[in-house]
Amino acid sequence: AQSVTQLDSHVSVSEGTPVLLRCNYSSSYSPSLFWYVQHPNKGLQLLLKYTSAATLVKGINGFEAEFKKSETSFHLTKPSAHMSDAAEYFCVVRPWSSYKLIFGSGTRLLVRP
Amino acid sequence: EPEVTQTPSHQVTQMGQEVILRCVPISNHLYFYWYRQILGQKVEFLVSFYNNEISEKSEIFDDQFSVERPDGSNFTLKIRSTKLEDSAMYFCASSDADSPLHFGNGTRLTVT
Repeated sequence: AQSVTQLDSHVSVSEGTPVLLRCNYSSSYSPSLFWYVQHPNKGLQLLLKYTSAATLVKGINGFEAEFKKSETSFHLTKPSAHMSDAAEYFCVVRPWSSYKLIFGSGTRLLVRP
Repeated sequence: EPEVTQTPSHQVTQMGQEVILRCVPISNHLYFYWYRQILGQKVEFLVSFYNNEISEKSEIFDDQFSVERPDGSNFTLKIRSTKLEDSAMYFCASSDADSPLHFGNGTRLTVT
């Protein structure tokens, strides 16, 4: 069965320092992988997606993620955190030949001034 | 940029009542979805809808739930005989064939 594990429920960083949000997935075939962000009282916004093209994927707002098949990981990074990055981040897998998305439990990012 | 819009943003209903959550997907999208997020829990898939029929549904989506596309623009989720445990944020989403899902801002349903 397909699943997604986000290794940290909360991550706290100082403004201007790097961000690393970790995600591991389990999937029988080549999945599509996504990161979504949810700001308070807002919907889910797509940050980036991986669909078996380049393994390093660049998204919006300076975020990027690297697909590592050998490690079954899809960690989200950003070189320098901004206060506006404070939000909840979801790693998501869409199994091959399925319509549905499987969400991780989310990582809440706190950015300290 | 086109958006998925959901109304109302917050719905309060009494246990046992029926509610209809409304969504206007992005106009050229053909695939429609409902997800929900119970407070403190994961976002869960409920149902996907394509070509005027359900294409996939989860075990959560039992006979209490139904979806409809009553006209060319709206996509609705009906919950009959609501229970306390139906309280959640309900997200509508849409996509075209190979695109990522675009989500609305959600409807917070509170069952009292």
